[in-house]
Amino acid sequence: AQKVTQAQTEISVVEKEDVTLDCVYETRDTTYYLFWYKQPPSGELVFLIRRNSFDEQNEISGRYSWNFQKSTSSFNFTITASQVVDSAVYFCALSERLGAAGNKLTFGGGTRVLVKP
Amino acid sequence: GAGVSQSPSNKVTEKGKDVELRCDPISGHTALYWYRQSLGQGLEFLIYFQGNSAPDKSGLPSDRFSAERTGGSVSTLTIQRTQQEDSAVYLCASSLITPRGGNEQFFGPGTRLTVL
Repeated sequence: AQKVTQAQTEISVVEKEDVTLDCVYETRDTTYYLFWYKQPPSGELVFLIRRNSFDEQNEISGRYSWNFQKSTSSFNFTITASQVVDSAVYFCALSERLGAAGNKLTFGGGTRVLVKP
Repeated sequence: GAGVSQSPSNKVTEKGKDVELRCDPISGHTALYWYRQSLGQGLEFLIYFQGNSAPDKSGLPSDRFSAERTGGSVSTLTIQRTQQEDSAVYLCASSLITPRGGNEQFFGPGTRLTVL
């Protein structure tokens, strides 16, 4: 079974600091995708980034970066120069292939990020 | 364009009643997913629809849960004889489908269900 672990439950930083979110995953699939989603206080999950296991990249913003280490099954996410609007819960997710190329997402428990002014 | 929409945004019901939750996916997205978000269980996959294929129901927690998708667009999630443990936010997502898979899913605002 697939599993995603986000060990950090809450991180508090001061605006303009960098914040790195950890994500460790388990899968038996040789081809898979990893995602980061943001859930602001409004509640809607917002797609941030995607990375596949065979080296494609999908950048969405210059303030976001990630470190994908297949050897350690980790997919860490960094927000550079954090802003108050970055305050949210961040979810790491792993895709499991379903029929007809769909994918079921297995989510980690989420990390709450609080950026103080 | 319009994102995924869900209705109602909030639903309060009494234990034992049936509820229907609606999802309208992004136009052109052939894949539709339902997830549930609760304090105890986090975000869980429930069911997946793709075109005219049989849905993947592997995440439905019990036979009180069912879902359908009419005309390849709007989907309805039905919970029969609701229990207090069904209280959660029910999220719908849609995506494109490409042969390589792994398409990002776009989520709706959710329906917050409270079972008294």
